[in-house]
Amino acid sequence: KNEVEQSPQNLTAQEGEFITINCSYSVGISALHWLQQHPGGGIVSLFMLSSGKKKHGRLIATINIQEKHSSLHITASHPRDSAVYICAVNSGGSNYKLTFGKGTLLTVNP
Amino acid sequence: DAGITQSPRHKVTETGTPVTLRCHQTENHRYMYWYRQDPGHGLRLIHYSYGVKDTDKGEVSDGYSVSRSKTEDFLLTLESATSSQTSVYFCAISEGTGTGELFFGEGSRLTVL
Repeated sequence: KNEVEQSPQNLTAQEGEFITINCSYSVGISALHWLQQHPGGGIVSLFMLSSGKKKHGRLIATINIQEKHSSLHITASHPRDSAVYICAVNSGGSNYKLTFGKGTLLTVNP
Repeated sequence: DAGITQSPRHKVTETGTPVTLRCHQTENHRYMYWYRQDPGHGLRLIHYSYGVKDTDKGEVSDGYSVSRSKTEDFLLTLESATSSQTSVYFCAISEGTGTGELFFGEGSRLTVL
């Protein structure tokens, strides 16, 4: 079973700061997902990537397959970015073999 | 947003009673999943479905059963609820299963007293 570690577990930032959340995993994967969950809310898929880098608005996700590591960056952070960010890795070639990290709680203060 | 709804959104029940959670999708996606989310744990897969009447167990399937009689509906049943099944349950769907993007429902909070 793939072990997924996210860091930090908790992160507090001031509005406007550049944010980085990290995800490391132990076994080779076919894809990695970044998800966002607002307090008491549902879960939204932000990115799915298997190599390189993807960008959507102020969010950027990168993955280094050789180092078994991915990062989620948020530029010009805003209080509405406050949420739990979850990394999930697909190491079995199918979504029912996803392993989820425990999440990073991000709080952005105005 | 993907058309996926869960019901009920909140439920309080007593130990030993049966409970059914419903996941309904309007996307015609083949694959559907039930997860539970608990503090200190990542999302954990309970059961999944890869087509009508085709289901299989996930990593935490004990005490749960599922049914899928139509493409759009995936039911999760707790035959006899226990306090350890107090959790938030999420349904998810995906078009493909290889590396398909996942779309999640809003979650169903179940409390078993």
